[in-house]
Amino acid sequence: GAVVSQHPSWVICKSGTSVKIECRSLDFQATTMFWYRQFPKQSLMLMATSNEGSKATYEQGVEKDKFLINHASLTLSTLTVTSAHPEDSSFYICSAGQWGADGELFFGEGSRLTVL
Amino acid sequence: LAKTTQPISMDSYEGQEVNITCSHNNIATNDYITWYQQFPSQGPRFIIQGYKTKVTNEVASLFIPADRKSSTLSLPRVSLSDTAVYYCLVVGTSGSARQLTFGSGTQLTVLP
Repeated sequence: GAVVSQHPSWVICKSGTSVKIECRSLDFQATTMFWYRQFPKQSLMLMATSNEGSKATYEQGVEKDKFLINHASLTLSTLTVTSAHPEDSSFYICSAGQWGADGELFFGEGSRLTVL
Repeated sequence: LAKTTQPISMDSYEGQEVNITCSHNNIATNDYITWYQQFPSQGPRFIIQGYKTKVTNEVASLFIPADRKSSTLSLPRVSLSDTAVYYCLVVGTSGSARQLTFGSGTQLTVLP
């Protein structure tokens, strides 16, 4: 079946550095991908919608200049956490697919970011 | 957006049937009910989806009453590996990810 893959699965970085997380749809094309953030013991929160060939749509309260999203191809979206700080430490999850009557949304394995 | 309400946690024993109920009083006519399972440090995994009455697949059943204001996920004969967080989502068909709102989920703990 369709698979969404993320890389890296975990990353540790120093405060002030930038980190890029990749999300790939392995056997289908995704014009739209979604990025979520999940803090420990909490639910998933939608951060932004990544649109192939156009600007991402960010949810309220999510800083677009801090969380840069690039959807350069139909199978790849990247999330770059710029000038990361400890409070950005979280589990980042991407998803792609379809939903509704005939669809299913697939989620990546997630990427654990720890900012020291 | 149709908000969902689920119990925060449930405990069960191996081999038992587990029923997790979700309330979604504001569900719209075109909304579907979808359940996901999430293990620690993993992305959510699709379990089952339905619109009304009963849906069954190889891992679970989903019961939806006529008014569709609630739904019940039924896991037959759970095992220790079913310990996870289960999310109930109400999903529209318009394609907006904003409709994919994850509630608090239900932490199911299966005990030996």
